[in-house]
Formats: sequence, C-alpha cells, structure tokens
Amino acid sequence: GENVEQHPSTLSVQEGDSAVIKCTYSDSASNYFPWYKQELGKRPQLIIDIRSNVGEKKDQRIAVTLNKTAKHFSLHITETQPEDSAVYFCATTSTGTASKLTFGTGTRLQVTL
Amino acid sequence: DGGITQSPKYLFRKEGQNVTLSCEQNLNHDAMYWYRQDPGQGLRLIYYSQIVNDFQKGDIAEGYSVSREKKESFPLTVTSAQKNPTAFYLCAARGPTPSTDTQYFGPGTRLTVL
Repeated sequence: GENVEQHPSTLSVQEGDSAVIKCTYSDSASNYFPWYKQELGKRPQLIIDIRSNVGEKKDQRIAVTLNKTAKHFSLHITETQPEDSAVYFCATTSTGTASKLTFGTGTRLQVTL
Repeated sequence: DGGITQSPKYLFRKEGQNVTLSCEQNLNHDAMYWYRQDPGQGLRLIYYSQIVNDFQKGDIAEGYSVSREKKESFPLTVTSAQKNPTAFYLCAARGPTPSTDTQYFGPGTRLTVL
C-alpha cells in the first residue's frame, strides 16, 4: 500500500519567517494531495490541496508544490503568524481507491514572537 | 465541515465493554470514513462506506464494526476485542460528488479506557 513520509516532525520559526514541510509518497498512481491543519484537540481542517496535473497552487500565504517525478510535495507558509502554530498533516490518495487517504505522521509548527 | 457531527465528545469505557460512537452528516455526501488518531501520529483508516448498506475495512479494522443503514449516519462500535482503544476518533465525509476526493472531518470523539 501507499506510504507517506513527512519531515520535519517539529519546526520552530520566528514570526514573519517562512516554513516548509515536505512529504514523500511511494505510489506513483497517487493523484490528489491535501494538506490539513489541526489545532490541539480539534478536527483536521483542509487548508490547501493539489491534483497531479498541477505543479503548484497558491492561496494567499500558503502554497503547495508537487514534483511527480521525485514523488514529493511540499507545503510553504510565508510570513508566518502565531495563529499558524498547529500540527500539519499531508495526505495522498489515488483514483479507484475510494479516495482513501494515507496520512503522514504530522509536523508540529511553532511560530514564536 | 460544520455539517458533520460526532457524539459524544468524550467517552469512557470499562474493560470488556462495547461502545458506539455516533457520526451524522447533513451534507448529502455518499462516502463516509472513520479514522483513528493516536498521540503524535497521523490518522489511520478504520472503515469506510461509499454508499448506503455497503462498507469496507480499512487498514486497522480489527476490533471495530460499523453500519450504514442511512446516508446521513455511519456509527462506529468499538468492541471488547479492540485491545488498545484509547484514541481520538474522527469521522469524515467526502463530497459533494462521487468524483470529489476532498474529505471533511467531524469534531471527533476522545475515547478513554478506564
């Protein structure tokens, strides 16, 4: 089955700096790549997603890039703010698998003042 | 994702008891999923259902059971056969169309074994 590795497990940045979280996947058939943000004790919330026919997608301070050849995708957060502090999860799925998501193990992002 | 509710928010189970976690959605989505989250880990799939009266095992189905008698409801039973059930349980629904991959999560149920 699919395997997703996520790095780093923890990331501390100063307010205003950029943060980058990377995920690699094993299944070349994967074609959908969402990113979720989870605050302590809360539900994961979708913040951005990308499909395999697109190399990059941006939404204000958040962007996701996909390298299909290398089988990795990354989340980029610019001008970080304290409210960006949370755990971020990447995930993948592929067509024909009932859209079952395989998740990475999460990155705890801490934005310090 | 405000259209997915889970109850109770907290649940305590004694050894040997079966407990049922509720998941309801008013989004009219066909597909629903149950995930388990352990501290410091990602989400793992327990069961999923793509349509009423049909469901499939996920990666960690042992010790769990589900039913899908209505489109809006997908309850999960944690049986006494599940040896380590303490975890955060999340229900998700996918939609709005069958070709949509996006999943939205409910608020979760935190289960603790006493």
